Amino acid sequence: DIVMTQSPDSLAVSLGERATINCKSSQSVLNSSNNKNYLVWYQQKPGQPPELLIYWASTRGSGVPDRFSGSGSGTDFTLTISSLQAEDVAVYYCQQFYSTPRTFGQGTKVEIK
Amino acid sequence: QVQLLQSGPGLMKPAQTLSLTCAISGDSVSSSSAAWNWIRQSPSRGLEWLGRTYYRSKWYYDYTVSLKNRLSINSDTSKNQFSLQLNSVTPEDTAVYYCARDYYDSSRYSLGFDYWGRGTLVTVSS
Repeated sequence: DIVMTQSPDSLAVSLGERATINCKSSQSVLNSSNNKNYLVWYQQKPGQPPELLIYWASTRGSGVPDRFSGSGSGTDFTLTISSLQAEDVAVYYCQQFYSTPRTFGQGTKVEIK
Repeated sequence: QVQLLQSGPGLMKPAQTLSLTCAISGDSVSSSSAAWNWIRQSPSRGLEWLGRTYYRSKWYYDYTVSLKNRLSINSDTSKNQFSLQLNSVTPEDTAVYYCARDYYDSSRYSLGFDYWGRGTLVTVSS
């Protein structure tokens, strides 16, 4: 199984400041046949299911604000919230789609400082 | 708009069989652009993918190895839904269970789990 490890486990950021979350996979999730990284980011708020933010490591999902961006390739990925808003308080997860089982990171809790 | 409506019991006793159903609206369980997944979430294990079903000229079923002996996923085209059966539940199976769609674009590349059910809290306790 591909192990997904996120860092940090939690972070507190002031409103309007940048938040950065890292995700590392135990093996590459880059599909060489199409040059796409099979890495997805989700946002989960209390009492709700996860919501897709970013797919293919850097493509924003439908309706996702452009303050959310994803980067990275191979085994190392980053989710950046460029200017934290109050509604961004949530837990963020990365997930790999390269192989089954579709494994998730342990989550990173983002709070307001 | 795709909607996934989950149904099933919230309280189970050890050794019972858990049955959950996910009814699909706005898409088809036999769509060639989708796979239909079960995921669970607990404080101890986080988000855990359990398995999926999808149709590509025939039906396919994939399961996480750790549950393969106890887990079964089925599809019902007449009701446009898919279901999960987990045998011999224990307190360790206590979790919120979700169904979710894995969408594939025209090039057959997965875009991730774009629609989720609201979740069913399943508690296993004697």
